[in-house]
Amino acid sequence: AAGVIQSPRHLIKEKRETATLKCYPIPRHDTVYWYQQGPGQDPQFLISFYEKMQSDKGSIPDRFSAQQFSDYHSELNMSSLELGDSALYFCASSRRSRAIYEQYFGPGTRLTVT
Amino acid sequence: GQQLNQSPQSMFIQEGEDVSMNCTSSSIFNTWLWYKQDPGEGPVLLIALYKAGELTSNGRLTAQFGITRKDSFLNISASIPSDVGIYFCAGQGSAGNMLTFGGGTRLMVKP
Repeated sequence: AAGVIQSPRHLIKEKRETATLKCYPIPRHDTVYWYQQGPGQDPQFLISFYEKMQSDKGSIPDRFSAQQFSDYHSELNMSSLELGDSALYFCASSRRSRAIYEQYFGPGTRLTVT
Repeated sequence: GQQLNQSPQSMFIQEGEDVSMNCTSSSIFNTWLWYKQDPGEGPVLLIALYKAGELTSNGRLTAQFGITRKDSFLNISASIPSDVGIYFCAGQGSAGNMLTFGGGTRLMVKP
């Protein structure tokens, strides 16, 4: 079965640079969620989109923004990167329109800020 | 915000033993999910629970949604080496569809 696709898998950036992470949800899934997981931590919710509209907002810094496109893929844009932004970033998808709330996670993007 | 307390933090067991872990919260959750995560990989969904009191199995895994909607447990029977990993509980509350995760239980299995 098709899974959530994330790209790139690994990304190395310097402080103050920008980064863009991409997420392609499972086919027919309409909701995308972004989570950040620091070393040894549990995933923390950042932001979600349903039918291309922002749905919920968590602990996402103002330096970050995200959107969902007409093909349901999503991009997380991160600017003025800081060392503390180094983490695993996961995208998850679900099919809210069919009341299927299980979230399926992608393999993640490991972001390293130097 | 909502918080989940997951215990134990880690377990080191012998192959073939049964394992039990649980999550508790001061808040009510509408959905409980259990995930397994291998190092550097994304969490993999194991079991989803939607109704208070619901008991659901998936192979050697059994999970229950507490009757108060504030807790859940996961049991693994007859553990095998590939069960090694970090298990997370996650809850969806009334504030939205985002997941709140527990701190995780690191399971180590000795062959």
